[in-house]
Amino acid sequence: NAGVTQTPKFRVLKTGQSMTLLCAQDMNHEYMYWYRQDPGMGLRLIHYSVGEGTTAKGEVPDGYNVSRLKKQNFLLGLESAAPSQTSVYFCASSSDRGEKLFFGSGTQLSVL
Amino acid sequence: GENVEQHPSTLSVQEGDSAVIKCTYSDSASNYFPWYKQELGKGPQLIIDIRSNVGEKKDQRIAVTLNKTAKHFSLHITETQPEDSAVYFCAASTGFQKLVFGTGTRLLVSP
Repeated sequence: NAGVTQTPKFRVLKTGQSMTLLCAQDMNHEYMYWYRQDPGMGLRLIHYSVGEGTTAKGEVPDGYNVSRLKKQNFLLGLESAAPSQTSVYFCASSSDRGEKLFFGSGTQLSVL
Repeated sequence: GENVEQHPSTLSVQEGDSAVIKCTYSDSASNYFPWYKQELGKGPQLIIDIRSNVGEKKDQRIAVTLNKTAKHFSLHITETQPEDSAVYFCAASTGFQKLVFGTGTRLLVSP
């Protein structure tokens, strides 16, 4: 039972570099999410998708882009990384309209 | 928008004791309140949730209570065990795609 798989698990970037985080789920969930987790700030929603081909902004979308070309995949892109984007990123999926989220194990990103 | 405050930020208990984590929310329209447990190096995992039409829900050693009038809800863990040590997050939702998390409580259960 893979559930939600995130790649990579760790990444170090230099300021201005770009990268893409991949999230894959095998539960046939319609809804997928990207959160960032920072110390003392809980989980904050970056972007989400309510189905294949759809995306929407969450609470903290600036500096990020997303795509959902296939139902099982949700990609998070950073076009020009900044130190403020140093964080742990979590992908989640749900079959229940934003409730009962299943999370991946996270990606630790450091931007130097 | 919704704001969720969570207390305490850290909680240390002895094995066998009870632990209580409290959250308050700001939006009276919130109607769904889940709790997630995050173990070290892992993603959060849903452990229990409650809807606004229910005052209390139990699942073995864990329970959640909701006071809509005061706009607060709590997680109760009885007979704590070392494996309960983790970070716990509360959250509140007004509906579709609007789940707002608290800042987390680190629970340490000492043998």
